[in-house]
Amino acid sequence: RKEVEQDPGPFNVPEGATVAFNCTYSNSASQSFFWYRQDCRKEPKLLMSVYSSGNEDGRFTAQLNRASQYISLLIRDSKLSDSATYLCVVTSGGSYIPTFGRGTSLIVHP
Amino acid sequence: NAGVTQTPKFQVLKTGQSMTLQCAQDMNHEYMSWYRQDPGMGLRLIHYSVGAGITDQGEVPNGYNVSRSTTEDFPLRLLSAAPSQTSVYFCASSRDRGRNEKLFFGSGTQLSVL
Repeated sequence: RKEVEQDPGPFNVPEGATVAFNCTYSNSASQSFFWYRQDCRKEPKLLMSVYSSGNEDGRFTAQLNRASQYISLLIRDSKLSDSATYLCVVTSGGSYIPTFGRGTSLIVHP
Repeated sequence: NAGVTQTPKFQVLKTGQSMTLQCAQDMNHEYMSWYRQDPGMGLRLIHYSVGAGITDQGEVPNGYNVSRSTTEDFPLRLLSAAPSQTSVYFCASSRDRGRNEKLFFGSGTQLSVL
């Protein structure tokens, strides 16, 4: 089983829709959690960190569920510019080496 | 502020050729790493370094060498290129290898091995 798993999608949604992605991780000792965004043929860029109590940044909300070992990303009022691949990243205690999921593709259409 | 600079952006090699992918950062970051990204596979860690003179293997190190003689530079060497090394390569750095450290990526190198 891969350490960090994501549904590859694509998620195809209309503008204005709300969409949510989940990411599961296998290492219960995982310490830090992030969502990165990657546009086609570009480098990944940090979208947001995920904190234990959940956190929000504008239209984006991230949640952590340690009991079930998953994190989620909710995007409200989707924009065409949100079309991208969203990468889940987890670092585990001790090594703190980031491990990437394979990414979830989002396509927002008019 | 240049951030993480990767060169070249594109490279075509023949099987058996060698080359070095360059990576430099100007943020005084201690942690640097190399990833490869293949369709459907996500980013996989090749090698990483937690400081000058210290390197370690990641998930897919075979066929690649690295060195870290300075804090700024972390080159990736392919000694004898193989078609299986056709991929997009990203260099990334962070302030250190700690909790909640943001990774900064270079713009990537598209490598084709014929």
